Amino acid sequence: DAGVIQSPRHEVTEMGQEVTLRCKPISGHNSLFWYRQTMMRGLELLIYFNNNVPIDDSGMPEDRFSAKMPNASFSTLKIQPSEPRDSAVYFCASSFRGGQGRFFGPGTRLTVL
Amino acid sequence: SQQGEEDPQALSIQEGENATMNCSYKTSINNLQWYRQNSGRGLVHLILIRSNEREKHSGRLRVTLDTSKKSSSLLITASRAADTASYFCARETQGGSEKLVFGKGTKLTVNP
Repeated sequence: DAGVIQSPRHEVTEMGQEVTLRCKPISGHNSLFWYRQTMMRGLELLIYFNNNVPIDDSGMPEDRFSAKMPNASFSTLKIQPSEPRDSAVYFCASSFRGGQGRFFGPGTRLTVL
Repeated sequence: SQQGEEDPQALSIQEGENATMNCSYKTSINNLQWYRQNSGRGLVHLILIRSNEREKHSGRLRVTLDTSKKSSSLLITASRAADTASYFCARETQGGSEKLVFGKGTKLTVNP
């Protein structure tokens, strides 16, 4: 099993540009989570899906952030337009509801200049 | 704060010593989980302890949960340099939500 796959691993962009982060969860997992990690705020849950349906997006900071899960094997997190304060490491995680914990991807380190 | 709070924030010990990290929280939980994060990497799940459990073991790891005090501890016995990492507790609240709220973590350094 390849684990949770995220791409790109690093992204450097300029303020105002659109950024799309991608995630492939572990096959068979039915829950998917997007987290953001910064030194100041730690790990924050942005949004999570269950069976491809968004369940809780209360952590999405602004309308500039959007997430989709068109099928069980793919999810995107989009920031449009990006701002320097969006710079962080974005993690995708998946799990089987009722299972034993979350499986995290390696993260995408986003730098917005 | 809705987050769990770990203490200490940082811990430095010698190889072979035991390391104890604590976590406190404020609201009722369904379960509490501990994760490890090596520098520049994703988080790795270590142990999940349910609200009706008091202690769990996994290899050199021992987790306790005291729901009356709303606290948990993670003990790593006979530490190794490879245990150097940040350790996070995360709580899953009651009510069926899958939201997992993480604390700020304890940065553990094990000196060879």
